[in-house]
Amino acid sequence: AQTVTQSQPEMSVQEAETVTLSCTYDTSESDYYLFWYKQPPSRQMILVIRQEAYKQQNATENRFSVNFQKAAKSFSLKISDSQLGDAAMYFCAYRGRYNYGQNFVFGPGTRLSVLP
Amino acid sequence: EAQVTQNPRYLITVTGKKLTVTCSQNMNHEYMSWYRQDPGLGLRQIYYSMNVEVTDKGDVPEGYKVSRKEKRNFPLILESPSPNQTSLYFCASSLWGSSGAISSPLHFGNGTRLTVT
Repeated sequence: AQTVTQSQPEMSVQEAETVTLSCTYDTSESDYYLFWYKQPPSRQMILVIRQEAYKQQNATENRFSVNFQKAAKSFSLKISDSQLGDAAMYFCAYRGRYNYGQNFVFGPGTRLSVLP
Repeated sequence: EAQVTQNPRYLITVTGKKLTVTCSQNMNHEYMSWYRQDPGLGLRQIYYSMNVEVTDKGDVPEGYKVSRKEKRNFPLILESPSPNQTSLYFCASSLWGSSGAISSPLHFGNGTRLTVT
């Protein structure tokens, strides 16, 4: 079964600085997607960014970008110019094509604090 | 507006009193799923459904029931709640089955904070 690991339970960053959140996953599939979700204190789950396994180019959405290393099964999230509103829990998620109904697998999350 | 509507947002109940958390989506998604979120454990899947009348167990199904009689609705039923079911619950939906479905993210409801005393 696929697993997703986030080894940093908590991180902090100074406002305007850059922070990188780590995510590794384990799979034998070649076709899959990876996602980062943000959960602010409002507890809403907000999609931040997604990456297709077949695309070598790293996805970017404004201040958010990923470093996707397929061979290493690593999918880190970089937040540039951190803002107070970036403070949240961040979840890494994997979606495979072939693991049927349980095809979204989440990591345990990283809580990010942004210091003014 | 495309959304997943989940109710109630907060629920306090006592052990053994049956309850239902409702979930409805307006995106015509085939796939719907329930998760519970507990500190340090991330989101764990309770049940999922790939279409009407098709449901299956996730990782933590004990003590829960679901039904999918209509495509848009996927209620979560706790027949006899216990304190270990105190948690934050999310309903979510996504495309399923088509060739492009794999790129579709999960769309989440706003969560239900359940407390069982």
